[in-house]
Amino acid sequence: ELKVEQNPLFLSMQEGKNYTIYCNYSTTSDRLYWYRQDPGKSLESLFVLLSNGAVKQEGRLMASLDTKARLSTLHITAAVHDLSATYFCAVPVYSGGGADGLTFGKGTHLIIQP
Amino acid sequence: DTGVSQDPRHKITKRGQNVTFRCDPISEHNRLYWYRQTLGQGPEFLTYFQNEAQLEKSRLLSDRFSAERPKGSFSTLEIQRTEQGDSALYLCASSLGRGDSYNEQFFGPGTRLTVL
Repeated sequence: ELKVEQNPLFLSMQEGKNYTIYCNYSTTSDRLYWYRQDPGKSLESLFVLLSNGAVKQEGRLMASLDTKARLSTLHITAAVHDLSATYFCAVPVYSGGGADGLTFGKGTHLIIQP
Repeated sequence: DTGVSQDPRHKITKRGQNVTFRCDPISEHNRLYWYRQTLGQGPEFLTYFQNEAQLEKSRLLSDRFSAERPKGSFSTLEIQRTEQGDSALYLCASSLGRGDSYNEQFFGPGTRLTVL
């Protein structure tokens, strides 16, 4: 059974600092997704990582994927308050009929303080 | 820009009642997924449709849960004889299912169910 683990689960940091969220998964996968969720809201897609060594950047967020290590990272550069949210990584589980439902980690609850 | 929509956004019901939720996917998306999210957890995959065919339903939580997508457009999720443990956020997602789309799933706002 696929397991997806994130750490840390909770992170409080100051504006302007850098930090990294880690996502480990237990079985081989050809892709990995990162989502953001604000309190009481749905999930917003951030990144789709498709191959080993993939790196994608959007503003202050950069995501990378190492399929050999089964590890993805989400790096935050010079954090600002607007990035406060819960971040999830997710890996598809392929089953009958081509189904590719996602298995999510528990999420990293990020609070950025002035 | 029309995204995934869900109705209702909130539902409060008494234990033992049946509830039904609706999801309207992005119009050109042929794949549709249902997830459940409980407090402090990531979403949990429940079921999957490709067009009108339900190709994965083994992850539905019990036989009280069922889903349909009769014409390959909107979908409904029904929970019969609700229990307090069914209280959660029920999320619907859709994707294009074409190679260059990377099958990225786009989520709706969810239906928050409270069972009293």
